Amino acid sequence: GDSVTQMEGPVTLSEEACLTINCTYTATGYPSLFWYVQYPGEGLQLLLKATKADDKGSNKGFEATYRKETTSFHLEKGSVQVSDSAVYFCALSLPANTGNQFYFGTGTSLTVIP
Amino acid sequence: NAGVMQNPRHLVRRRGQEARLRCSPMKGHSHVYWYRQLPEEGLKFMVYLQKENIIDESGMPKERFSAEFPKEGPSILRIQQVVRGDSAAYFCASSPPWGSGANVLTFGAGSRLTVL
Repeated sequence: GDSVTQMEGPVTLSEEACLTINCTYTATGYPSLFWYVQYPGEGLQLLLKATKADDKGSNKGFEATYRKETTSFHLEKGSVQVSDSAVYFCALSLPANTGNQFYFGTGTSLTVIP
Repeated sequence: NAGVMQNPRHLVRRRGQEARLRCSPMKGHSHVYWYRQLPEEGLKFMVYLQKENIIDESGMPKERFSAEFPKEGPSILRIQQVVRGDSAAYFCASSPPWGSGANVLTFGAGSRLTVL
């Protein structure tokens, strides 16, 4: 079935290090892909999205490219900050008869230390 | 333009009591989703509703859990006879009408249920 698999955490990095969180997907149609971020004690917030192959989503220094050939949507940032410490969720959306169904990965916890 | 509003933010219940969690979607959004997040675990889909219609409840436990989204008022997730294992954060999300071209989920801040 349709699903998202993302890199297991937790991930701990020093400030200014490079970040990559892997995400691959399985989908029967043409999904839209998303990264959501959850800060401690809060709900999920949309970080970035891509709606078709080769699209690159970007926001706050984070990037992810929709790779249809490898069914991947890896999240990257060149230089992380302490404020990036959060849980990151990869997700996909597929149209259904009456609306969109969303599938989330299990989340990857990131801690950035000064 | 208020976002997705969930209440209560925190709810404490004793075993056997009922818990009711409410969610008001963003203005203009017609679809509501409920997710459960257990401590140290990911997000588990529970149910997906339109006004007066359950579209997909494949993630809902068969017993004690129910959800509705009436014509007027918020969506409600109801848990009867709560048990300790129901302690979790319950997140509501909403999305625009189907075909509007905007298929992004907007989440509320969550309702954290603690069962004593």
